[in-house]
Formats: sequence, C-alpha cells, structure tokens
Amino acid sequence: GQNIDQPTEMTATEGAIVQINCTYQTSGFNGLFWYQQHAGEAPTFLSYNVLDGLEEKGRFSSFLSRSKGYSYLLLKELQMKDSASYLCAVRGGSYNTDKLIFGTGTRLQVFP
Amino acid sequence: EPEVTQTPSHQVTQMGQEVILRCVPISNHLYFYWYRQILGQKVEFLVSFYNNEISEKSEIFDDQFSVERPDGSNFTLKIRSTKLEDSAMYFCASRTGIFSGNTIYFGEGSWLTVV
Repeated sequence: GQNIDQPTEMTATEGAIVQINCTYQTSGFNGLFWYQQHAGEAPTFLSYNVLDGLEEKGRFSSFLSRSKGYSYLLLKELQMKDSASYLCAVRGGSYNTDKLIFGTGTRLQVFP
Repeated sequence: EPEVTQTPSHQVTQMGQEVILRCVPISNHLYFYWYRQILGQKVEFLVSFYNNEISEKSEIFDDQFSVERPDGSNFTLKIRSTKLEDSAMYFCASRTGIFSGNTIYFGEGSWLTVV
C-alpha cells in the first residue's frame, strides 16, 4: 500500500529553525515534493527532491534519503507568516504513474 | 507569475444536482489534474489528463465524475449527481511535460458544498 507519515502539529518560535520529517512507503518513487498550504488556500510548491541529498532554496531546504524512505523540510529564520500546513507528497505508485500521494500535512504554528 | 485559475471559488448545490467546476491551466502546460481535499483531511488525487484523454484516475473518480478539455484553454470537472460526501475543496493543477520532475502548480480551489 501507499503510506506517508508526518507529524500532525509542530510549534516553534519566530527566528528559530524547525525540521519537519516525512517518511514514506510507496510501491514506486518518482520524486518527493513539499508544499505549503495556508488554511483554505491552494498548496504552494516549496521544493522537489528526486536524488538523495539536500536541496537548498533560501530559508527552506529539503533532504531526501531514498534508501530510508525519509525526507525532511528545514525552515530557517522562522517568520510569523510561515504558520501554515506543510504537505509532503510523493510521486509514485508505479512506473508510469504521475499522481501525487499526499501525507496529512504538518500544521506549524510560529509564535513571537 | 503564471497561475492556474479556477471558477467558481465557492458553490453550494443541492444533492443530486450536476456541478461543473472550471479551470484554466497555465498556458504552456500539457498535463492537467484534479485533486480534492475534504475539510480537515489530506489532499487526494482524482484524475490526470494528457493529450485529450484521461491518463490515470483514482477509485474516487467513478462514473459520476467526468473531465473535459472543451477548447484550448479550459479544463472542466463535472459531477453528474452530487452526493453529500462530494463536499470538498477541488483543486485543479497543471505542469509542463518536458521533465517528469516539473513542478505541479495548483489553482486556488473551488469549494463545493452539497446540501
């Protein structure tokens, strides 16, 4: 089956660093995406990993280990506007699939 | 920055009625999708569409659902006879076809309430 696990909620302080973990078990793997979603809004693309290692983009970084079925999203210098849900999504399932399988999302609250 | 646009933003309909949700994907994109998110739950894949035909669909996408690209710009999702459990946010998404890793961009969503 397909399974993607992330913590349900996390809290952090403005200016701090937070790491959101994601583990996945899918029958195929063609890349992992992180999206940010504010309540009632569309998911917004943050990062994409298909090879092992770290991808850095400004205050956001994402790491992937395919052998461990593990990824994390690292947010630095947290700002109040970073309060949102962070969705881990795997493109996979079979060789020719294109769909994204989403986790339930991690709701991050940033406090002053 | 180009974006995926969706209409309506919110629709209330009676159970059993037909609903059409409309989307205008980003103009140079080739792959189109519908996802939905029931309140408080995860985003779920419904269907993908490429080269004027469905390329993949989920178990949710039964005979009550259909998609169409009636012209060069619009991409629609039709629910023939809505049920209470169809109440959800429906997201249209699209991507280019050059590389499989291309980002999938989501629209702002259409919130459907079935009463």
